[in-house]
Amino acid sequence: EAQVTQNPRYLITVTGKKLTVTCSQNMNHEYMSWYRQDPGLGLRQIYYSMNVEVTDKGDVPEGYKVSRKEKRNFPLILESPSPNQTSLYFCASSLISRGGRYEKLFFGSGTQLSVL
Amino acid sequence: KNQVEQSPQSLIILEGKNCTLQCNYTVSPFSNLRWYKQDTGRGPVSLTIMTFSENTKSNGRYTATLDADTKQSSLHITASQLSDSASYICVVSAGPGTYKYIFGTGTRLKVLA
Repeated sequence: EAQVTQNPRYLITVTGKKLTVTCSQNMNHEYMSWYRQDPGLGLRQIYYSMNVEVTDKGDVPEGYKVSRKEKRNFPLILESPSPNQTSLYFCASSLISRGGRYEKLFFGSGTQLSVL
Repeated sequence: KNQVEQSPQSLIILEGKNCTLQCNYTVSPFSNLRWYKQDTGRGPVSLTIMTFSENTKSNGRYTATLDADTKQSSLHITASQLSDSASYICVVSAGPGTYKYIFGTGTRLKVLA
């Protein structure tokens, strides 16, 4: 089944304790990205990647790191989490749009992170 | 500033009724506009994608319209079902060749039996 898999689904941690949220897709998508969703705000892009070893900042990259060593995986790293990073996080992937055809974004089921 | 605004914020309708959700955007340059459905606690799922040259697109009981001149879009749901209860999110992609997506805050729809 084609899907984007995020783990863990729920995570509670304490300020300053490094954590990684994993994201994997099985659709051979070039594009992958991370978003956070907060109450009253639309999803906001954290980082995105157009292909292996190619990553770029989104609108809210502060406090986050990513890596794209393999095409299928795009982990999100919080080196020193803070309470303001408490949020619902989504990973998404898609094919690169070509020839005027725009590709669907496929989202994972989300990771609810609480930083105490 | 690139923005996507949706209205209403929330909506309650009876099963079987139709409804229309609105999306206004100020995104430039404009590439495409998407509607997503997000069930509570789940990731968004794509409903439609439209470019500036398309003014209507359907997906089953969902029909999206786009007026690129007035920068407005609507999502019409026909013969609503209980399973339509969800948030509906309007997303605008800024500029060809970029992958910047500006998300609206969504309209929360509740369909009652």
